[in-house]
Amino acid sequence: GAGVSQTPSNKVTEKGKYVELRCDPISGHTALYWYRQSLGQGPEFLIYFQGTGAADDSGLPNDRFFAVRPEGSVSTLKIQRTERGDSAVYLCASSPTGTTTGELFFGEGSRLTVL
Amino acid sequence: AQSVTQPDIHITVSEGASLELRCNYSYGATPYLFWYVQSPGQGLQLLLKYFSGDTLVQGIKGFEAEFKRSQSSFNLRKPSVHWSDAAEYFCAVGPSTYNNNDMRFGAGTRLTVKP
Repeated sequence: GAGVSQTPSNKVTEKGKYVELRCDPISGHTALYWYRQSLGQGPEFLIYFQGTGAADDSGLPNDRFFAVRPEGSVSTLKIQRTERGDSAVYLCASSPTGTTTGELFFGEGSRLTVL
Repeated sequence: AQSVTQPDIHITVSEGASLELRCNYSYGATPYLFWYVQSPGQGLQLLLKYFSGDTLVQGIKGFEAEFKRSQSSFNLRKPSVHWSDAAEYFCAVGPSTYNNNDMRFGAGTRLTVKP
């Protein structure tokens, strides 16, 4: 597609449930990033993929969070046993390369609400 | 670790007036600096970036920013604001280390434009 696509745009779930958020990056972009944006805050880095592998997952807050990118294109962020504190907008971005010298292209985000 | 501070949470300016959004960073070496804009219902879009060279950089939509090493600042400016500039603006810093993807964002400044 023309831009980074994220689904769902909105997700409401109950505490303790499992959630998957999907990101379809710009075609040909090898680098993919997940960020989390809480209310009134800037995006917070979660994980970065270069191709199929997670090159940097230092931003994942705990082991309830996991992300995959099995074919080097679409990525899924998975959250187990959701907590109310997980409520945020989850942003996906892609880049032609994996360096920070390049521009990040962001999707519109998936808003997660945990009741 | 690098960090970014945007001192102004919310700024209101009249249409046609000049604008300056402040950004201060903390980093041990010369950073890569970015300004992104987030309009309602849209993903973050890169306005401009500074890597090296001329400390005054021009971006899209008539924005510019000036890197001042002595003040650790990278303030965003526009000489005449348009109503369509109303949005959230984020300053970001990325390390100048190849393939390190820990880009840090400020908390953002929300711009309101009065008619």
